[in-house]
Amino acid sequence: EIVMTQSPATLSVSPGERATLSCRASQSVSINLGWYQQKPGQAPRLLMYDTSTRGTGIPARFSGSGSGTEFTLTISSLQSEDFAVYYCQQYDKWPLTFGGGTKVEIK
Amino acid sequence: EVQLLESGGGLVQPGGSLRLSCAASGFTFSTYAMTWVRQAPGKGLDWVSSISGGGGGSTYYPDSVKGRFTISRDDSKNMVFLYMNSLRVDDTAVYYCAKGGGAEFDCWGQGTLVIVSS
Repeated sequence: EIVMTQSPATLSVSPGERATLSCRASQSVSINLGWYQQKPGQAPRLLMYDTSTRGTGIPARFSGSGSGTEFTLTISSLQSEDFAVYYCQQYDKWPLTFGGGTKVEIK
Repeated sequence: EVQLLESGGGLVQPGGSLRLSCAASGFTFSTYAMTWVRQAPGKGLDWVSSISGGGGGSTYYPDSVKGRFTISRDDSKNMVFLYMNSLRVDDTAVYYCAKGGGAEFDCWGQGTLVIVSS
């Protein structure tokens, strides 16, 4: 099973600042990685797939990078609606696995 | 507009069974893989099961539910099901239906809560 590790667990950021979230895979997943955003009481929403392709309607301030075992989600200028929990997920191999999440909170 | 609507959650005793349903609309259902993902209270996301589309019907499970859960689909009704047997307390979670499998999940339902408790 591929273990996905996200860091940090919590990220405190001021509105307008840049946020950088990390996701590490225990073995290579190529670029077969997605990112999801989840707000309290809501279902997750796809942000990014294939490492760097934005999902439908996702603003350009979200970007993804990486390959193999190291991945990054960057939010260039945090807006109030971006404070949420973010999960990475690999779909390179079964079983599909998620990271533990990074909570982005208001500083 | 793509929509997924889960139903069938509720309170069940340990060792019991439950069937979850997901009604899909807004896309060509038969051609897409479908997936169930769960989230225990205050915890992260946990993949539960996927079934391929395109008439293949291949199924996939993690070890944690293999032999206890069964995923199936009815393409004539645009529905996917999750049959859960031998339920345990640690199966308590919100269960989400998601479009996709073996790739990203590009649409999620709002979830249905399953509580396993005596």
